[in-house]
Amino acid sequence: EAGVTQFPSHSVIEKGQTVTLRCDPISGHDNLYWYRRVMGKEIKFLLHFVKESKQDESGMPNNRFLAERTGGTYSTLKVQPAELEDSGVYFCASSQEGRGHNEQFFGPGTRLTVL
Amino acid sequence: AQSVAQPEDQVNVAEGNPLTVKCTYSVSGNPYLFWYVQYPNRGLQFLLKYITGDNLVKGSYGFEAEFNKSQTSFHLKKPSALVSDSALYFCAVRPYTNAGKSTFGDGTTLTVKP
Repeated sequence: EAGVTQFPSHSVIEKGQTVTLRCDPISGHDNLYWYRRVMGKEIKFLLHFVKESKQDESGMPNNRFLAERTGGTYSTLKVQPAELEDSGVYFCASSQEGRGHNEQFFGPGTRLTVL
Repeated sequence: AQSVAQPEDQVNVAEGNPLTVKCTYSVSGNPYLFWYVQYPNRGLQFLLKYITGDNLVKGSYGFEAEFNKSQTSFHLKKPSALVSDSALYFCAVRPYTNAGKSTFGDGTTLTVKP
């Protein structure tokens, strides 16, 4: 069974440009999460989808970030326009159920560098 | 609000020695606690979790963790470290009532020297 996949693995863009990250969760997992790790700090929650609906987007830093999950399958996270402080590693995770005791399965992450 | 603290940025041990990676947490109500490991250029991999029951939980690769409610701790342990255990380790908590986001610590880099 394929795990969570993310594309691209690395992205280097200039300040003001737009970048779109993609996440493909494990097939059958209704719950999809986006996290970010900036400057070697803790991994911070961004948002949580249940199927195509946003269950919790309390971690989204500002309106430059837009996440979608059309059809409840893969998800995209767009940053427009990108700022220097957006640099970091963006992780996607999925789980079969959103229950607290279920572990989340993580993708390899996308390393975003904004110059 | 929930939080996780990993007080050590770096832990160094010699191969064959026991290792401990510390984690303390703060959460309202009963916690679900997790340990994940990240190897270079890889995603986070699940190691083990505490849900309820026995305070000592066993996980992958010979790791175990002990839940201590009074000290609000969930330290990761292994009796005999391997060089291949060298990686970045994250502790995470999810509250019982909120089936959603995990809160992570800053991570601890474990280096096992031959």
